[in-house]
Amino acid sequence: DQQVKQNSPSLSVQEGRISILNCDYTNSMFDYFLWYKKYPAEGPTFLISISSIKDKNEDGRFTVFLNKSAKHLSLHIVPSQPGDSAVYFCAASIYSGAGSYQLTFGKGTKLSVIP
Amino acid sequence: DGGITQSPKYLFRKEGQNVTLSCEQNLNHDAMYWYRQDPGQGLRLIYYSQIVNDFQKGDIAEGYSVSREKKESFPLTVTSAQKNPTAFYLCASSPGGPSAYNSPLHFGNGTRLTVT
Repeated sequence: DQQVKQNSPSLSVQEGRISILNCDYTNSMFDYFLWYKKYPAEGPTFLISISSIKDKNEDGRFTVFLNKSAKHLSLHIVPSQPGDSAVYFCAASIYSGAGSYQLTFGKGTKLSVIP
Repeated sequence: DGGITQSPKYLFRKEGQNVTLSCEQNLNHDAMYWYRQDPGQGLRLIYYSQIVNDFQKGDIAEGYSVSREKKESFPLTVTSAQKNPTAFYLCASSPGGPSAYNSPLHFGNGTRLTVT
């Protein structure tokens, strides 16, 4: 059973417009959420995160929104640039005991920004 | 520059052979992880280690083994018991400890393993 879901496998956006990537989760015990960006044949790189006690976190062109009641978060990229074209993974963190935390990843959304 | 080094980038093996993937980090991180990525799939956790000489199974540990003899190194062995070993393998690390929950993972650039 998938605990972190990214229901859109792909998204195409015109350069300069807003990109909105969505993520839903089922486990209410998740307390920290992260977005990673991945280019082909490379490892994911951390993009932005949000604690479950907040509903918004902003870093430059990237903003993450969290709606705990709906168990939904979204990543907004404004304005979108061709270099943003990548696969974006949503991840959720949960305490797994003995001082350790585990990340659960969604399947990713491939964003294509068209010049 | 600090980071995580995975080698080799591409690896080919015959079915029935064990193969070991290397992962080295110079970030002085306590925690290290191995993930597997398949096409159209998210990252799935194979094994993780919070401290030297200790490791735990992740969600898909069957057919894999690891060791953590040094803080810097966390090699992954894909054994012949792994039924579908062809995949992209990613190693990651984090500081670990009490602040682990909000410490993003740092990933290597992965090893693509092909078993025929």
